[in-house]
Amino acid sequence: EVQLLESGGGLVQPGGSLRLSCRASGFIFSNYAMTWVRQAPGKGLEWVSGINDFGDTTYYADSVKGRFTISRDQSKNTLYLQMNSLRAEDTALYYCAVWYKWFDPWGQGTLVTVSS
Amino acid sequence: EIVMTQSPATLSVSPGERVTLSCRASQSISSNLAWYQQKPGQAPRLLIYGASTRSTGVPVRFSGSGSGTEFTLTVSSLQSEDFAVYYCQQYNNWPRGPTFGQGTKVEIK
Repeated sequence: EVQLLESGGGLVQPGGSLRLSCRASGFIFSNYAMTWVRQAPGKGLEWVSGINDFGDTTYYADSVKGRFTISRDQSKNTLYLQMNSLRAEDTALYYCAVWYKWFDPWGQGTLVTVSS
Repeated sequence: EIVMTQSPATLSVSPGERVTLSCRASQSISSNLAWYQQKPGQAPRLLIYGASTRSTGVPVRFSGSGSGTEFTLTVSSLQSEDFAVYYCQQYNNWPRGPTFGQGTKVEIK
């Protein structure tokens, strides 16, 4: 069974940093592109970032470009999102997902709250 | 950026009814469209990709149609477990800039 388990969320002050992780199991992780999608409280879905299967090509939404870095560790079957210079508007539930051109499946998410 | 607009924002329906949700793209996206269902407290679930192909395990009462700028998700006979928020997502410029619609909430009438 394919499973994606996010972790690393929490409360951080504006300007702070956080690193999210997404542990994958049940499939050959290194064969698939991966992505992060976020959802602010009570709001819709926003694509954040993606990375190809090899891990050498990355993509970012304009809203996070220059502040967030996506990466992956094939040996650990784990996807990461390093988030720096966090802002209040980054407060959201962050999901990882397998990225075909659509997203499937999704993890259950990890909550990031940016507040002083 | 391709803007996706869903209508209506909220739909009040009774179980057993036929439901049609709309999604419009700000420019042509061919058939590069997916639909997701999200229930409260859960992650989104892929229903449809390629505008009309059902994902594995999705009941046949869900169907998608359209191409270009106008798309539709139809539920032929709404079941109690179908009350949820539905999102469309375009991937026309994959891998760059996938965007979602703002969602349509289907609630019990």
